Amino acid sequence: EVQLVQSGAEVKRPGESLKISCTGSGYNFARYWIGWVRQEPGKGLQWMGIIDPADSNTRYSQSFQGQVTLSVDKSTNTAYLQWSSLKASDTALYYCAKVRFEAGLAGSPFDLWGRGTLVIVSS
Amino acid sequence: DIAVTQSPESLAVSLGERAAINCKTSRSVLHRSSNNNYLGWYQQKPGQPPKLLISWASTRESGVPDRFSGSGSGTDFTLTISSLQAEDVAVYYCQQYYSPPWTFGQGTRVEI
Repeated sequence: EVQLVQSGAEVKRPGESLKISCTGSGYNFARYWIGWVRQEPGKGLQWMGIIDPADSNTRYSQSFQGQVTLSVDKSTNTAYLQWSSLKASDTALYYCAKVRFEAGLAGSPFDLWGRGTLVIVSS
Repeated sequence: DIAVTQSPESLAVSLGERAAINCKTSRSVLHRSSNNNYLGWYQQKPGQPPKLLISWASTRESGVPDRFSGSGSGTDFTLTISSLQAEDVAVYYCQQYYSPPWTFGQGTRVEI
């Protein structure tokens, strides 16, 4: 089965670090970029950035540049999203998603989504 | 960044009636060399991740009912549900993937 499996919900304090994961299976993980999308409670979708699993090339939205880090481990077909110092405003549901086409940054919608990882940051 | 604006914010339609959602981009997303519009439509039901319905502005994904159709070019696009079914209640998003960041519209809630 083609799927993306995301790590479980996290509850953190402001200032703490966090790394969440997204593991792909059922397809050639290295051939399709993985993107991350934020959804704040009751709000819409925000494109955060995207990473090429083949060479870890990344592109961030300016809104998230410097706030998060994308990485990937090809050996385990896993992509990661990490924060070094969480803020309360990072509270949201975070989705990873696979691009539909092997187009890299040439552009593609997302055709396969994880179920999301809920991150709650509260003192 | 390319801004994406959807209208209306919400829409109430009777069962069997037509629903239309508009999406406008701040710059053209038509790639001249391929003649493709770099625009997709998603459906998100409560508690679920988004589901890709349409890519290239008008190409339905496999398994998507043909009551869903996409149209438009350049900067103005429409998602039409020709005969609304109960299972179509959801929030619908458009997304441009012409230029990163591949921005989403703010969403349109469709209700019965």
